[in-house]
Amino acid sequence: QVQLQESGPGLVKPSGTLSLTCAVSGGSISSSNWWSWVRQSPGKGLEWIGEIYHSGSTNYNPSLKSRITISVDKSRNQFSLRLSSVTAADTAVYYCARLGAGFDPWGQGTLVTVSS
Amino acid sequence: DIQMTQSPSTLSASVGDRVTITCRASQSISSWLAWYQQKPGKAPKLLIYKASSLESGVPSRFSGSGSGTEFTLTISSLQPDDFATYYCQQYNSYPFTFGPGTKVDIK
Repeated sequence: QVQLQESGPGLVKPSGTLSLTCAVSGGSISSSNWWSWVRQSPGKGLEWIGEIYHSGSTNYNPSLKSRITISVDKSRNQFSLRLSSVTAADTAVYYCARLGAGFDPWGQGTLVTVSS
Repeated sequence: DIQMTQSPSTLSASVGDRVTITCRASQSISSWLAWYQQKPGKAPKLLIYKASSLESGVPSRFSGSGSGTEFTLTISSLQPDDFATYYCQQYNSYPFTFGPGTKVDIK
C-alpha cells in the first residue's frame, strides 16, 4: 500500500524559505492521482496548500499562491514544497497526502517552526 | 472560497451513545465531502468520502449523509477508540477547505 513520508528542516528563519519533500513508497507518483500539501496550525486548523499531478500541473491555494512552488521528481518518486518569505504564521505541522476520493493516505506530518 | 462550519465544536458523550456531527458548506458542494478522524499527534484518517461512502477498513458504525450544503457524520454506538476530533472537508472546488473540527470527548 502507498505510504508517504515528509522530510525537511524543522526550523526556518523568518523571511527564509521552507523546503519539504514527500517520498512516495509502495506505489508510483505517476498514478492517476493528485498529490497535495496540507498544513495544520493551532490558529488556522487544517489548510490545503496546493497539489501537483505527475505531469507537473499544479493548483495552489490563492492565499499562498505568491509564495509557494510545488514540484515533482518522478525519477525519485517524490514531490516537494517550497514556501518563501516565511513568518511565524507559517509555523505548523506540514502533511503530504494523496487525493483520491478524499485525502488518503497522509504522511505522518513534520513540524516546521519559523523562528530566529 | 467555500467556508465549512461544523457543530458542535465539542461534544461530550459516553461509550455506546449515538453521536451526530453536522457540517455545513457556504455554497452547494454536491456530494463532494469527506470526513476525517484525527487523534493527537497523528495525521487525519479518512472515514467517509463522497458524503456517504465508507472508506475501506472503517467500522460500519460510522456513516455519512447529506448533499448540497448540509451534511452529517453519525457514529451509531460510540466506542473508546472513537474519542477524537472530526473534520469535514470539501473537494468540490478550489481551494479545498476544511471545517474547524468537532472534538468528541468522554462525558
